[in-house]
Amino acid sequence: QVQLVQSGGEAKKPGASVKVSCKASGSTFTNYGITWVRQARGQGLEWMGWISTENGNKAYAQKVKDRVTLTTDTSTTTVYMELTSLTFDDTAVYYCAREPGLADSGLDVWGQGTTVIVSS
Amino acid sequence: EIVLTQSPVTLSLSPGERATLSCRASQSVYRYLAWYQQKPGQAPRLIISGASNRATGIPARFSGSGSGTDFTLTISSLEPEDFAVYYCQQRGNWPHTFGQGTKLEIK
Repeated sequence: QVQLVQSGGEAKKPGASVKVSCKASGSTFTNYGITWVRQARGQGLEWMGWISTENGNKAYAQKVKDRVTLTTDTSTTTVYMELTSLTFDDTAVYYCAREPGLADSGLDVWGQGTTVIVSS
Repeated sequence: EIVLTQSPVTLSLSPGERATLSCRASQSVYRYLAWYQQKPGQAPRLIISGASNRATGIPARFSGSGSGTDFTLTISSLEPEDFAVYYCQQRGNWPHTFGQGTKLEIK
């Protein structure tokens, strides 16, 4: 059973950074990529970025590309999403999702979500 | 970046009725389009990939069609558990953008 387990919720002040982890289990880690998606309360899904766990290739959304960094640790089958210079608009639930790597596939396994609250 | 526009924003139907949801892309995404279902407090769930391929465990009442810029998700006969928000996502070009969602609500 493939699973993605994310780290717990975070409360941060404006200007701080947050690092969310996504641990994969139950499948070959390097056969897939990991996509990060966030969702503000009552809003839609926002694609943030993708990382290949095989070769480290990345793609970022223009909106956050100067503030987000995706990394992988193959020894622990964990992917990390770090977001810096947080603002109130970064308050959201952050999801990681498995990316099979084929254009005609979809995000077929999702983490449970991590709530990040930015508040003064 | 490719913009996906979903319509309608809200669709009010009764159980047993047929639902037709639309997703239009600002440029061709070939057949690289996926649909997701999201219920309150839950992560999204993959319903359709490659425009028309049902994901594992998805009932046959869900079907997808389309190519290029116009796509449709059809639910042939609504069950109570189908009322949710549905998102399309294009996977033809980076960034892999999402539509804004269609809320399917009980009439």
